[in-house]
Amino acid sequence: GAVVSQHPSWVICKSGTSVKIECRSLDFQATTMFWYRQFPKQSLMLMATSNEGSKATYEQGVEKDKFLINHASLTLSTLTVTSAHPEDSSFYICSASLAGAGETQYFGPGTRLLVL
Amino acid sequence: EDKVVQSPLSLVVHEGDTVTLNCSYEVTNFRSLLWYKQEKKAPTFLFMLTSSGIEKKSGRLSSILDKKELFSILNITATQTGDSAIYLCAFDTSGTYKYIFGTGTRLKVLA
Repeated sequence: GAVVSQHPSWVICKSGTSVKIECRSLDFQATTMFWYRQFPKQSLMLMATSNEGSKATYEQGVEKDKFLINHASLTLSTLTVTSAHPEDSSFYICSASLAGAGETQYFGPGTRLLVL
Repeated sequence: EDKVVQSPLSLVVHEGDTVTLNCSYEVTNFRSLLWYKQEKKAPTFLFMLTSSGIEKKSGRLSSILDKKELFSILNITATQTGDSAIYLCAFDTSGTYKYIFGTGTRLKVLA
């Protein structure tokens, strides 16, 4: 149980295009999902907290117009990197809590984004 | 400001060795400490610690929390090459439920 999937696993795109990453909780409902990014040899940095049916809460320094988050259902959250640039190349990981905020987070397998 | 420091940053050992990884913290609203193992993909959950002095154990891995001295250790005995990974500690801060991750310890176990 508590499986989280992400799609796609890998994406390579041209600078200026937008990329959508999906995060799904496969066997449970996740009231809260979290989005992280990880640069090479660095730790995970929380970007935003996504609550179903409401606007995401972004961490300081994360541009909400650049990283659009939609949590349309209890099993799906999406992160759209708009007008991607090479500096957006990173490993993006989502996580979901079993019963909502406060429970152990389970991580998706991550999405590697390379912007050329 | 909440802070999590892991040490060492990097460690190379031989199979069969025992390693101890450290995680020290300054967190205003501590709720729990978590240890994760990260190989090539996303982190996988190892332990959650909420109480001081109670050891959690899973096979060759064990962990303990000291809330007075504000640190936790992760022990791996009889290391194997499959233990090579980045080990991350994180804090679940009460009130916000966000995880704050440490920088990680990169462990390499040589055959």
